[in-house]
Amino acid sequence: GAVVSQHPSRVICKSGTSVKIECRSLDFQATTMFWYRQFPKQSLMLMATSNEGSKATYEQGVEKDKFLINHASLTLSTLTVTSAHPEDSSFYICSARVMANTEAFFGQGTRLTVV
Amino acid sequence: GDSVTQMEGPVTLSEEAFLTINCTYTATGYPSLFWYVQYPGEGLQLLLKATKADDKGSNKGFEATYRKETTSFHLEKGSVQVSDSAVYFCALQSSGSARQLTFGSGTQLTVLP
Repeated sequence: GAVVSQHPSRVICKSGTSVKIECRSLDFQATTMFWYRQFPKQSLMLMATSNEGSKATYEQGVEKDKFLINHASLTLSTLTVTSAHPEDSSFYICSARVMANTEAFFGQGTRLTVV
Repeated sequence: GDSVTQMEGPVTLSEEAFLTINCTYTATGYPSLFWYVQYPGEGLQLLLKATKADDKGSNKGFEATYRKETTSFHLEKGSVQVSDSAVYFCALQSSGSARQLTFGSGTQLTVLP
């Protein structure tokens, strides 16, 4: 299947700093990318949907000023956690798909720890 | 809205035992159904899928049948291996324009040698 690469796989940052997570589709062009958050032993919660070249659509309860999403090209989307706090510590996973009726492929995830 | 209800875990089995993980869904229209597997510290991998009623998805010895009458998509495997230890997620993809994935809560499976 297609490959989605997420970087970094792990990051530790100090409270108050910002962290950027990259999601790349390596061998296909992704018109849509999704960002999920996963709490320990829980399911994936969709945070936002981003389409290349347009603003991301955030799910209810997700602060768009805190979780900045940029989908500047068909192969790259970034999630920036601004002014991170310990409660932002989580596992963040992206997925990407070519079109609406095609399979979504998942990145390896990023473990964020805010200390 | 769409929802997926998945059998709670954790599930612990001995090697070569039979596995069933129940999954039921609520959705409008005609969703596609999926099972994903997540190994420790990794993202999700698609295990199998079914796109219409009565379809059977299968992969690596795992099977699941799309049952519209019971709105179910139970995952089964006849003989589990230690390497099958992982978290399994049932998911549906809506038939609406967004076609987002909605996930169940996940079931932790541990297979003992």
